[in-house]
Amino acid sequence: KNEVEQSPQNLTAQEGEFITINCSYSVGISALHWLQQHPGGGIVSLFMLSSGKKKHGRLIATINIQEKHSSLHITASHPRDSAVYICAQGLYGGSQGNLIFGKGTKLSVKP
Amino acid sequence: SQTIHQWPATLVQPVGSPLSLECTVEGTSNPNLYWYRQAAGRGLQLLFYSVGIGQISSEVPQNLSASRPQDRQFILSSKKLLLSDSGFYLCAWTRTIANYGYTFGSGTRLTVV
Repeated sequence: KNEVEQSPQNLTAQEGEFITINCSYSVGISALHWLQQHPGGGIVSLFMLSSGKKKHGRLIATINIQEKHSSLHITASHPRDSAVYICAQGLYGGSQGNLIFGKGTKLSVKP
Repeated sequence: SQTIHQWPATLVQPVGSPLSLECTVEGTSNPNLYWYRQAAGRGLQLLFYSVGIGQISSEVPQNLSASRPQDRQFILSSKKLLLSDSGFYLCAWTRTIANYGYTFGSGTRLTVV
């Protein structure tokens, strides 16, 4: 069964802290996605990666294919980073471009 | 640039009433289109996907149907809503090439009462 597990489920941090959200998946992937969902519900795609590391501003995503594990890091966290962060794996074959989603990590950054 | 529009943003409907949610994409042609649902406390789940006009695949048997009458239009429908249809519905698109990123609509929060 294809599963995507995220940890922690909930995370509270103080402004300025370094944050790490973890994602583990069970089968081989075509790509691993990190998404951000704001309280209103809209989802923004942050990263799509199949190897190594990507960086965008204060966000860094890494993936270890052998260990089937990915991390999302936020440096110098800010209250506006408060959102639900969702990891999703793209699968080889199956539904055209289908994603299997984790349940998300709810991040709250306090000022 | 490519954009995706989804409406309405919120909807409250009585049990047994029909449903029609619409999603349109601009700035691209022949996109792969998706409908996802997020039930309370659960992850996103694929409901339908389409690789072309009139081509619909369903992932989960349910009270819903989807149609793609035009290349960049994707509609989610129900003839009679159930309480269990409540949730957050998201439309998304991606290109028909492997490993191209996804773009999501802003979502529709549906409450069936």
